[in-house]
Amino acid sequence: NAGVTQTPKFQVLKTGQSMTLQCAQDMNHEYMSWYRQDPGMGLRLIHYSVGAGITDQGEVPNGYNVSRSTTEDFPLRLLSAAPSQTSVYFCASSSTSGGYNEQFFGPGTRLTVL
Amino acid sequence: AQSVTQLGSHVSVSEGALVLLRCNYSSSVPPYLFWYVQYPNQGLQLLLKYTSAATLVKGINGFEAEFKKSETSFHLTKPSAHMSDAAEYFCAVANTGNQFYFGTGTSLTVIP
Repeated sequence: NAGVTQTPKFQVLKTGQSMTLQCAQDMNHEYMSWYRQDPGMGLRLIHYSVGAGITDQGEVPNGYNVSRSTTEDFPLRLLSAAPSQTSVYFCASSSTSGGYNEQFFGPGTRLTVL
Repeated sequence: AQSVTQLGSHVSVSEGALVLLRCNYSSSVPPYLFWYVQYPNQGLQLLLKYTSAATLVKGINGFEAEFKKSETSFHLTKPSAHMSDAAEYFCAVANTGNQFYFGTGTSLTVIP
């Protein structure tokens, strides 16, 4: 199993550009989520999905869109990048329900917006 | 609503000394609690988790944590620090909807 994979590893954008961060998992997990990690702020939940076709907002959803057409994939879209979106982005997945299942994290995407 | 507070953004210990990383949680229901470790330029890895079984939870690499309901704490300890323990550590609380709330992290430095 590859676990949770993310592409790209690094990305530099100019303000106003759009891009999609890719996330895929091969563990047949129902639950997937996106976090951003900023110094001194820990990880903050952007969006999450409890299954294909179902998504919901987390703590900091503004400026980001998600969709979940398959169980395996959960892309994160930045429609018009802003410098405030410079961050490290992590995708995670876990088995369905309970809250007692650990989340498995991808290696992260380091995004810089100029 | 759930939240987590990690006291001390930076902790330094000598090699072989006790490691103590503090975590206090706020939860309106019995919580699920986790400790994750992040090595430089990597994702997070699970160290251990509490899911209402034994209050003393043992994890990987010699770490353990004790759930204390009366103190709303879930502190992480290791009897003897090793150089390879240098990393950032995150405490997290989860609700039954699988939403995780992370603390701001504690950076552990191990001094040789």
